Amino acid sequence: QKEVEQDPGPLSVPEGAIVSLNCTYSNSAFQYFMWYRQYSRKGPELLMYTYSSGNKEDGRFTAQVDKSSKYISLFIRDSQPSDSATYLCAMEGGSEKLVFGKGTKLTVNP
Amino acid sequence: GAVVSQHPSWVICKSGTSVKIECRSLDFQATTMFWYRQFPKQSLMLMATSNEGSKATYEQGVEKDKFLINHASLTLSTLTVTSAHPEDSSFYICSAPGVPSYNEQFFGPGTRLTVL
Repeated sequence: QKEVEQDPGPLSVPEGAIVSLNCTYSNSAFQYFMWYRQYSRKGPELLMYTYSSGNKEDGRFTAQVDKSSKYISLFIRDSQPSDSATYLCAMEGGSEKLVFGKGTKLTVNP
Repeated sequence: GAVVSQHPSWVICKSGTSVKIECRSLDFQATTMFWYRQFPKQSLMLMATSNEGSKATYEQGVEKDKFLINHASLTLSTLTVTSAHPEDSSFYICSAPGVPSYNEQFFGPGTRLTVL
């Protein structure tokens, strides 16, 4: 079992839809959880950063962490074509090293 | 936010030559930087941790003699791919922990290496 599992998609939704992206993990030592957005041939851009369990909201983006289930989510409300990208979850457990999911490719159709 | 730059953004080289990639933190100091490799449609794989003033630490399976890392200053780390071969063709990305939230890592734009 990989440390971090993420459905690679692809995921295609109409503009304005609510998008749900998820990752599961096996390492209970993970305490820091991040979501990155990566456009084609670009470096990842940090979207959300969460410590431990709970929710965090930033504009149209909401990150949720459920440590008891080892499950994290990213919700995108009112999705826009400009949200089309690959979304990577990443986790860290005090070693300063990030472990990434494979990424989910999202396309938002106008 | 913290900005990390990389140079060059893309490079094409002949097999057997060496290529140097620079990673700079533009508005903050980074005693640690990370180097990743990303193959098409794959996730980022950590190659090594670059430490200012000391040797880099490499992940299992990464050849330290092939991927030379030098953390010359608090704002610059370089990755040199020595005697490059076509299988080294990939997207190389560096990152640096942010300030003050050390656990937030900021990534450079990446360098696409193609070895002919």
